[in-house]
Amino acid sequence: QKEVEQDPGPLSVPEGAIVSLNCTYSNSAFQYFMWYRQYSRKGPELLMYTYSSGNKEDGRFTAQVDKSSKYISLFIRDSQPSDSATYLCAMNTDSWGKFQFGAGTQVVVTP
Amino acid sequence: DAGVTQSPTHLIKTRGQQVTLRCSPKSGHDTVSWYQQALGQGPQFIFQYYEEEERQRGNFPDRFSGHQFPNYSSELNVNALLLGDSALYLCASSPQGGNTEAFFGQGTRLTVV
Repeated sequence: QKEVEQDPGPLSVPEGAIVSLNCTYSNSAFQYFMWYRQYSRKGPELLMYTYSSGNKEDGRFTAQVDKSSKYISLFIRDSQPSDSATYLCAMNTDSWGKFQFGAGTQVVVTP
Repeated sequence: DAGVTQSPTHLIKTRGQQVTLRCSPKSGHDTVSWYQQALGQGPQFIFQYYEEEERQRGNFPDRFSGHQFPNYSSELNVNALLLGDSALYLCASSPQGGNTEAFFGQGTRLTVV
């Protein structure tokens, strides 16, 4: 079993819809949780960073962490075609530790 | 701010050859990590450098080695290339010895033939 599980998709939504992405993990030592966006043939771009359980909002993006369920989510409101990309969750056990990534979910927002 | 820069962007090598990839971290960042991303997969951690020392290493063979210079830039070397080494190699930098909020470069796409 992988330490971080992420549905590969593709997830197809119409423009303006809410995109809901999630990852589950098995290592209860993970404390820091990140979401990255990766366009085709590009490097990952940091979207959100959270520490501890709860919600964090930044513009159209909301990240949720539920440590008791070992489950994290990313919501994208008012989705745009430019949001079409692969979304990667990443997590680590301490502030300098290596990232453990999910496999990524491909999102397609259709006009 | 130039962000994290990697060179070259693309590279084609023959099995058995050696390759060196380079990374310049974001201004103000002193920690550099390297990842390998196979097609359709998430990045896999190779190693991390801080204060010119390898601080952490992932599950990669000794054919993968690295270096960090006093200006915080870094190199990744791969010896005796295998077809399976074909991947996107990503460099990430972060500040103050930490690894949260790491910024990634655009990657070097290595093809081994």
